Amino acid sequence: QVQLVESGGGVVQPGRSLRLSCAASGFTFSNYGMHWVRQAPGKGLEWVAVVSSDGGTTYYADSVKGRFTISRGNSENTLYLQMNSLRTEDTAEYYCTKEGAATKARYAFDIWGQGTMVTVSS
Amino acid sequence: EIVLTQSPATLSLSPGERATLSCGATQNVGTSLAWYQQKPGQAPRLLIYDSSTRATGIPARFSGSGSGTDFTLTISSLEPEDFAAYYCQHRTEWPPGATFGPGTKMDIK
Repeated sequence: QVQLVESGGGVVQPGRSLRLSCAASGFTFSNYGMHWVRQAPGKGLEWVAVVSSDGGTTYYADSVKGRFTISRGNSENTLYLQMNSLRTEDTAEYYCTKEGAATKARYAFDIWGQGTMVTVSS
Repeated sequence: EIVLTQSPATLSLSPGERATLSCGATQNVGTSLAWYQQKPGQAPRLLIYDSSTRATGIPARFSGSGSGTDFTLTISSLEPEDFAAYYCQHRTEWPPGATFGPGTKMDIK
């Protein structure tokens, strides 16, 4: 079935780096733009970054610009988020999510992973 | 930059009642608005896209309406499993980022 599975979360000290992965299955990964969305404990959803279907275009929230890098490997059906210079305010559950099809839910996120928790603490 | 607002922040209702949740946009977004449901410890689930189209598998008691700057999610008769947080969301072709509203938490009265 259609599935996204994140991994790579954990506890890390401020200023350090972490790389998240999101394995996709059940759909043609290379056809869809992919996003990362995060949620701090007890808070709402915050969009983080997007990568186009071919990997050629990326875009970031101001809060992570210059520190995070989104990328994808279409041959291995995997989405990545490289997080550098981590701050305590980056502590959150990180979800990968898929854009809807061009003719259905194009501007929405129709599939979500279960999330991976990142805790930035000394 | 488009900002989404949601009201009320919290809604206390009983099973069987009708729920009306609002989402407002600071600029005209046409009908490019989606709604998500999130239960504790779970990922968000897409309920409604393009303002009024139910996603696959979503029960008919959920309906969406609105265009421009004012949107509504209506749950016609609340089931016990509907008590959750609800978020509205907007995204465009360019810039390709997304915006979420702050959410409405619905709990059992």
